[in-house]
Amino acid sequence: AQSVTQPDARVTVSEGASLQLRCKYSYFGTPYLFWYVQYPRQGLQLLLKYYPGDPVVQGVNGFEAEFSKSNSSFHLRKASVHWSDWAVYFCAVSVNNNAGAKLTFGGGTRLTVRP
Amino acid sequence: EAGVTQSPRYAVLQEGQAVSFWCDPISGHDTLYWYQQPRDQGPQLLVYFRDEAVIDNSQLPSDRFSAVRPKGTNSTLKIQSAKQGDTATYLCASRDRDTQYFGPGTRLLVL
Repeated sequence: AQSVTQPDARVTVSEGASLQLRCKYSYFGTPYLFWYVQYPRQGLQLLLKYYPGDPVVQGVNGFEAEFSKSNSSFHLRKASVHWSDWAVYFCAVSVNNNAGAKLTFGGGTRLTVRP
Repeated sequence: EAGVTQSPRYAVLQEGQAVSFWCDPISGHDTLYWYQQPRDQGPQLLVYFRDEAVIDNSQLPSDRFSAVRPKGTNSTLKIQSAKQGDTATYLCASRDRDTQYFGPGTRLLVL
């Protein structure tokens, strides 16, 4: 069965510093991968999505992610973090060869931004 | 364009009571999802519909949970005889092609 692991439950960075949030997936088919962000008291919002092709995908607000089949990873990056990035980030994999039809989420990484 | 709307936003009840959650998806989205998100965890799919048909309810605790989408638009999720372990945020989402769009959720506290 498919699964997603986000090894870091909490990450703290200083404003302006670079960021990497880790995601490892387990799925035997062709993975479609997603990163969502959840701000306090709000639903999840899509940051970016990966389809088989270019391993580096660009998202909103300066976020990007890189897919690695050999490492079964889909890490999220940002060059310079802003205080408004303070939120919880979820990685998800889509199964059944139907992109986005059924998502399995990781446990999330809570990002804190220091001034 | 209006997003996914949910009501109520909050619910507090005693064990054994029933509660219903309501979701209005984005207009034109034929697929609707209900997720349960316990505190400090990721969302876990409970059930999803395409139009009025249930596609997958394998994770729905069928003895106490039920979900309907009678006209293929709005949906209701109901918990009969709630338990403390049901305390969580219940998220609704609707899908357009490959992207799911989420509502703000209903936060449920069962005392």
